[in-house]
Amino acid sequence: GAVVSQHPSWVICKSGTSVKIECRSLDFQATTMFWYRQFPKQSLMLMATSNEGSKATYEQGVEKDKFLINHASLTLSTLTVTSAHPEDSSFYICSAGTRIETQYFGPGTRLLVL
Amino acid sequence: SQQGEEDPQALSIQEGENATMNCSYKTSINNLQWYRQNSGRGLVHLILIRSNEREKHSGRLRVTLDTSKKSSSLLITASRAADTASYFCATDSQGAQKLVFGQGTRLTINP
Repeated sequence: GAVVSQHPSWVICKSGTSVKIECRSLDFQATTMFWYRQFPKQSLMLMATSNEGSKATYEQGVEKDKFLINHASLTLSTLTVTSAHPEDSSFYICSAGTRIETQYFGPGTRLLVL
Repeated sequence: SQQGEEDPQALSIQEGENATMNCSYKTSINNLQWYRQNSGRGLVHLILIRSNEREKHSGRLRVTLDTSKKSSSLLITASRAADTASYFCATDSQGAQKLVFGQGTRLTINP
């Protein structure tokens, strides 16, 4: 089946630094990828839709200047958490697929901001 | 985005028993999916049911969909310890082009 990878799998950083998370579709091309955030014992909350060749579409309440998304190619989307703070600590998950009903999820990236 | 409700939030049963989880949603949908998530891991797709379907089976899984009540249920029969995980429903709403996840049910299977 299709595989989506994320890198890094976990990251610890100091408050105020920026962190980049990569999401790659390994064996298919994805014009659209999705970024989610998940706090402990909670569900996935969609942050934004990443569109190849155009600007990302952010969900209400998500700061686009803080969570920068770049869909550089049909197999790569990056999420950069700028000036990270402890409240940004979370589990970030991406998904990709050729159709909205067929989404493959990455293994997630755990971010801890100290 | 408005997430759907799932109940129960947590369920603990003995191995071999059946587990039933319910999901309700708010909008008209194209389809509804169920996913499993082991602790700290990504999501695994379990089953998809379309809006014109009422019931679907896959191995030990049985999913029902009632569009008039905007609800779905996931039944896991003959549960195993390896079924311990969180289970989420996700809806693909008409015109939305995104998935909306329910709150999830944390299932624990006791050996």
